[in-house]
Amino acid sequence: DVKVTQSSRYLVKRTGEKVFLECVQDMDHENMFWYRQDPGLGLRLIYFSYDVKMKEKGDIPEGYSVSREKKERFSLILESASTNQTSMYLCASRTRGLNYEQYFGPGTRLTVT
Amino acid sequence: AQSVTQLGSHVSVSEGALVLLRCNYSSSVPPYLFWYVQYPNQGLQLLLKYTTGATLVKGINGFEAEFKKSETSFHLTKPSAHMSDAAEYFCAVSDRYQAGTALIFGKGTTLSVSS
Repeated sequence: DVKVTQSSRYLVKRTGEKVFLECVQDMDHENMFWYRQDPGLGLRLIYFSYDVKMKEKGDIPEGYSVSREKKERFSLILESASTNQTSMYLCASRTRGLNYEQYFGPGTRLTVT
Repeated sequence: AQSVTQLGSHVSVSEGALVLLRCNYSSSVPPYLFWYVQYPNQGLQLLLKYTTGATLVKGINGFEAEFKKSETSFHLTKPSAHMSDAAEYFCAVSDRYQAGTALIFGKGTTLSVSS
């Protein structure tokens, strides 16, 4: 069975802290994605990775960075968390090709105070 | 760039009534289209997808969607709503970036089902 796991379901951090969100997939997928989900805005793509050590900016990369050192793991980093980064963060993975679906993790609800 | 528009951020139906959730896409090439569902406090799961071939696509839980190129639409329907269908629904299109591809999502439609 396909599985995407995220390191935390809920996270509370203070403004200015460095935050790491971890995502692991067990399907040997080449592509991995980070989205943030906000009410009324849907899912917005932050970054994705199409191979180990390879990344591409999505639609809202400002304030975020990513790391992919191993195929199964994709990390989202908030260098200095701000209150406007309070959101639900969803990780996904997919094999190569336009016509394949993405598989999602359960999400991490991050609150920055 | 591709995009999707979901008409209606909130749809309310009675149990047993027809469910119709609207999605229009913008694409300069033949699109790959997806519908996902999100139950409270969960991630997204795939309902159905259109890639090529038959334009009427059947998915899980009795949902189906029809790809209409002339109308640039991919509306989601279910003949008879159940209480368990209450959730948020997202339409998505596959888009190319510089070196890869990713799904671009609409803003979502919340479906409420009343008894």
